[in-house]
Amino acid sequence: DAKTTQPPSMDCAEGRAANLPCNHSTISGNEYVYWYRQIHSQGPQYIIHGLKNNETNEMASLIITEDRKSSTLILPHATLRDTAVYYCIAGTSYDKVIFGPGTSLSVIP
Amino acid sequence: DAGVIQSPRHEVTEMGQEVTLRCKPISGHNSLFWYRQTMMRGLELLIYFNNNVPIDDSGMPEDRFSAKMPNASFSTLKIQPSEPRDSAVYFCASSLPGSGRATDTQYFGPGTRLTVL
Repeated sequence: DAKTTQPPSMDCAEGRAANLPCNHSTISGNEYVYWYRQIHSQGPQYIIHGLKNNETNEMASLIITEDRKSSTLILPHATLRDTAVYYCIAGTSYDKVIFGPGTSLSVIP
Repeated sequence: DAGVIQSPRHEVTEMGQEVTLRCKPISGHNSLFWYRQTMMRGLELLIYFNNNVPIDDSGMPEDRFSAKMPNASFSTLKIQPSEPRDSAVYFCASSLPGSGRATDTQYFGPGTRLTVL
């Protein structure tokens, strides 16, 4: 399974776009990239996933580089409620999600 | 849908006591996962079931931990005897597996905060 690397923490001004990077240089061709987040004292919450193409849903956008070695999660207009730990997961085997330490995002008023 | 339901939400017990945590997955989901989260070790997968059958329990810390899934709508995680180092938040999650090797979206419950004195 591919290992992911994320910055331990980031700040973002409220209303601005939050861009959270993730490196997964050992990902194999048929393994997806998943993003989850965990707001304090809650269970992790699914955000988005992708394989090759960029993806967008009501929560966020996922940009995957052409070589698939890295990706960026974009929260277009960050709010205070987006303050959370964001986990990037890649290269996991079927039905298993392995969480690393993630990125602690602080949205600042 | 009510989502994944866990009970109790908080449990305080004394060392040596038996602890049972309960989980009701989302209806129709056929995979269920138990995780443990601590400040030191982060979020760890303990065990997961597919169609009520344990598939991988390699994350279960030791024989004091056991998990069962007697039917599609209920699972338990038992610790006997409990120790202070078992203090953590225990999450249950469920998913509806798709095809291929894609990891499927997991839906997490609110967790059970366990404190062993």
